[in-house]
Amino acid sequence: EVRLVEAGGGLVQPGGSLRLSCVASGFTFSSNWMFWVRQAPGKGPEWVASIETDGSRADYLDSVKGRFTISRDNAKKLLYLQMDSLRVDDTAVYYCARDPYTKAFDVWGQGTMVTVSS
Amino acid sequence: EIVLTQSPGTLSLSPGERATLSCRASQSVNNNFLGWYQQKPGQAPRLLIYGASIRATGIPDRFSGSGSGTDFTLTISRLEPEDFAMYYCQQFGSSPPYSFGGGTKVEIK
Repeated sequence: EVRLVEAGGGLVQPGGSLRLSCVASGFTFSSNWMFWVRQAPGKGPEWVASIETDGSRADYLDSVKGRFTISRDNAKKLLYLQMDSLRVDDTAVYYCARDPYTKAFDVWGQGTMVTVSS
Repeated sequence: EIVLTQSPGTLSLSPGERATLSCRASQSVNNNFLGWYQQKPGQAPRLLIYGASIRATGIPDRFSGSGSGTDFTLTISRLEPEDFAMYYCQQFGSSPPYSFGGGTKVEIK
């Protein structure tokens, strides 16, 4: 079964840091671009970051550039999102997702909640 | 940056009826890389359609996608009880950000 499972969310104060992780199973992780997508309470999904198969290229939403870093460990089938200088408006459920070269997200994790509040 | 506008915001229909959802892009979507997702409360989005018109694995044939360029449509031919949910379109342009639309809620009339 193709599966993605996120972990690492929680409550953090503004200016703090969190590291999210996503473990993949059931498919060849190293062959897929991977993504982080977030969804604030009551809002639609929002693409946050993406990373190429070998990690050589990463792209970010403008509002997180310089604060978030996406990375991957293909040997361990792990995707990461290091989030620094967190702001209240970063509060959301964070999902990892894959694109199997269809230019769409066909598999999503269950999501992990990040709450930024004092 | 491509902005996606979905309409209507809410669609009130009865089971068995046909649903037509619209997604309009602020500029042409590269290679029609436009996807549609269904989301129910407390769940992750589920891919229905990619490439504007290709059904994802396991998606019933009552769901169909059409359109090209800047105008796209998701049609649900006959609504089943499990189809009442939020629907989002999303584009994969030639460069990020890979934006989502604001969503259409399909609710029971």
